[in-house]
Amino acid sequence: QKEVEQNSGPLSVPEGAIASLNCTYSDRVSQSFFWYRQYSGKSPELIMSIYSNGDKEDGRFTAQLNKASQYVSLLIRDSQPSDSATYLCAPLNDYKLSFGAGTTVTVRA
Amino acid sequence: DGGITQSPKYLFRKEGQNVTLSCEQNLNHDAMYWYRQDPGQGLRLIYYSQIVNDFQKGDIAEGYSVSREKKESFPLTVTSAQKNPTAFYLCASNQPGGANYGYTFGSGTRLTVV
Repeated sequence: QKEVEQNSGPLSVPEGAIASLNCTYSDRVSQSFFWYRQYSGKSPELIMSIYSNGDKEDGRFTAQLNKASQYVSLLIRDSQPSDSATYLCAPLNDYKLSFGAGTTVTVRA
Repeated sequence: DGGITQSPKYLFRKEGQNVTLSCEQNLNHDAMYWYRQDPGQGLRLIYYSQIVNDFQKGDIAEGYSVSREKKESFPLTVTSAQKNPTAFYLCASNQPGGANYGYTFGSGTRLTVV
């Protein structure tokens, strides 16, 4: 598996603000990218997927992909306390996901 | 509802003992995976299987074994050769060729050596 790096946390944001999460990956052949949210002690749950360069929006979440720069990001708008979790970036290659260590987000009420 | 069931939720292993973690899915997925998660680290791939009766080692397979005799089942055995087995173990599945879909995860098994 190839290296996946995420911005180190924890990231603390006030309620209603935008949380910005970054991820770089080393395997150029990766074509599909996924963001998972993991609450403490729980298993990861899929929140976003992106396959093409550009932006993809789903509710309060926006994923951005730049394959030339090997960079993918996740924006959480209007952050809520329920968004407090660890977010995992996962490129897909050869049907297997590689995971970053995650960025922990804390939303302050 | 379709999903992945892992059992037990908590497991305690004594030194020198083999233990088996169960993973069952009813999603009709061909591929299944086992990951290990340690505090502050990402998920690391232990073994994966893309079809029944076939499986491959992941990045950290030493001290582990698996079988894939049925499409819906992919049990993981943690052997006594695994010197530091305390971790959170996650089973996942997906459909190869369905490149637009990420994994579905089970709820995990937390293994502790006592």
